[in-house]
Amino acid sequence: SQTIHQWPATLVQPVGSPLSLECTVEGTSNPNLYWYRQAAGRGLQLLFYSVGIGQISSEVPQNLSASRPQDRQFILSSKKLLLSDSGFYLCAWSVPLREGGTGELFFGEGSRLTVL
Amino acid sequence: AQSVTQLDSQVPVFEEAPVELRCNYSSSVSVYLFWYVQYPNQGLQLLLKYLSGSTLVESINGFEAEFNKSQTSFHLRKPSVHISDTAEYFCAVIRGSGNTGKLIFGQGTTLQVKP
Repeated sequence: SQTIHQWPATLVQPVGSPLSLECTVEGTSNPNLYWYRQAAGRGLQLLFYSVGIGQISSEVPQNLSASRPQDRQFILSSKKLLLSDSGFYLCAWSVPLREGGTGELFFGEGSRLTVL
Repeated sequence: AQSVTQLDSQVPVFEEAPVELRCNYSSSVSVYLFWYVQYPNQGLQLLLKYLSGSTLVESINGFEAEFNKSQTSFHLRKPSVHISDTAEYFCAVIRGSGNTGKLIFGQGTTLQVKP
């Protein structure tokens, strides 16, 4: 069966420090991968999605970047964190539509980032 | 462009009472529809989905949702809620074909079940 893991679960970082959140998927190949952010009291904002190794699409201009060095690994990074980067970050995967997927997303457990 | 509107940001209800969480979407083409549930400090879990076929779909824990094409709605219902149903609920839509596979989420509805 497929599983998705992301870490760390919680992170407290000072303003201006770097960030690296990692997500891995097991039990499937060629997944679509996503990073979402959920700010307090707000809905889900899609930050990045990837349809293959090295292929990253950014949904909103921001202080963050994403990379996909391997088929089932997705990394969210920042060189210098801002206060506004605080939030709950969710990694997700889906079966590509071209492979019979329906768009259904499977989410990781989330990473709570607090920037002080 | 597609969009999803969840009409209520918070829904307080007493235990064992019925509940309806409303969701409307805008799309002129066929869609797939989803409800996700998020418990505190956790990721989202799929509650139920409509892809095709019967317009009434059910989950294993007593929730159901009905796809209404004429009203472009996909409201979530449960005839009798439990304390453990307290969570945030998200409605989501994706176009059925010819797209990049990105789900569009509503803003979420917080269901607060009181004893």
